[in-house]
Amino acid sequence: DAKTTQPTSMDCAEGRAANLPCNHSTISGNEYVYWYRQIHSQGPQYIIHGLKNNETNEMASLIITEDRKSSTLILPHATLRDTAVYYCIVRVVAAGNKLTFGGGTRVLVKP
Amino acid sequence: KAGVTQTPRYLIKTRGQQVTLSCSPISGHRSVSWYQQTPGQGLQFLFEYFSETQRNKGNFPGRFSGRQFSNSRSEMNVSTLELGDSALYLCASSLLAGGSYNEQFFGPGTRLTVL
Repeated sequence: DAKTTQPTSMDCAEGRAANLPCNHSTISGNEYVYWYRQIHSQGPQYIIHGLKNNETNEMASLIITEDRKSSTLILPHATLRDTAVYYCIVRVVAAGNKLTFGGGTRVLVKP
Repeated sequence: KAGVTQTPRYLIKTRGQQVTLSCSPISGHRSVSWYQQTPGQGLQFLFEYFSETQRNKGNFPGRFSGRQFSNSRSEMNVSTLELGDSALYLCASSLLAGGSYNEQFFGPGTRLTVL
C-alpha cells in the first residue's frame, strides 16, 4: 500500500471548516483513499473514501486532486466532538480489508 | 444493531504468560481484522480472517496467532508475553472480504498490560 504523509497536528475553531491535507504521491491506479478518525479511548471510525472523484457524505467531503497525488478531507462545521486523530489511508480494495495506518493528524477543535 | 464487542476490556498479565482476546463482530459480518496500537508504533495490522480462513497477516512474530469460528467470532492469542506486547488490541469487523464500499467497524479494544 502507498505511503501517506499528513501534518502531525492542527487546530481548528469550532463552527469553522477544517481542511485536512494528505499527500499520497506514490498512489497507484487501483488504490482508494480512505479516511478514518480515532477519538480518544475509542476504536477508529470510518469517515469517507474515494477513488478519483470528490465525495461527500453526512460527515465530511473528500477532495482528490486530478493526479490523485494528494487529497483533502473537509469537515464543514467542526464541533468539539470532532477533536480526534485523523488517518488518511490508501489501499488496494481487492487485496482484503487490511488498513495501513500512518501517524495521522491530531486535530484539536477549540471553542 | 449491536456493535463490535471485545472481551475483556482490560487485562493485566506478567511476562512469559499467554493471553487470549475475544472479538464478536457485528451480526452478519464475516470478516474480522486485528490491530495492535502502541504509543511508539501506532496502529499496526496483525491479521485478517474471513469465513474462518486467514487472508492476510501482518509483520508480527509467531507468538501472535488468531482464529475465527464458524459464527465469525474471532480470538487472538499471544504466547510468552513480553513487556513490549503491552498495547491496545483492536478488532474490526466488516461484511465482505474486500471491496471499496466495505466499511470496517472497530470495537473499543482490549487494553493489555504486561508486567
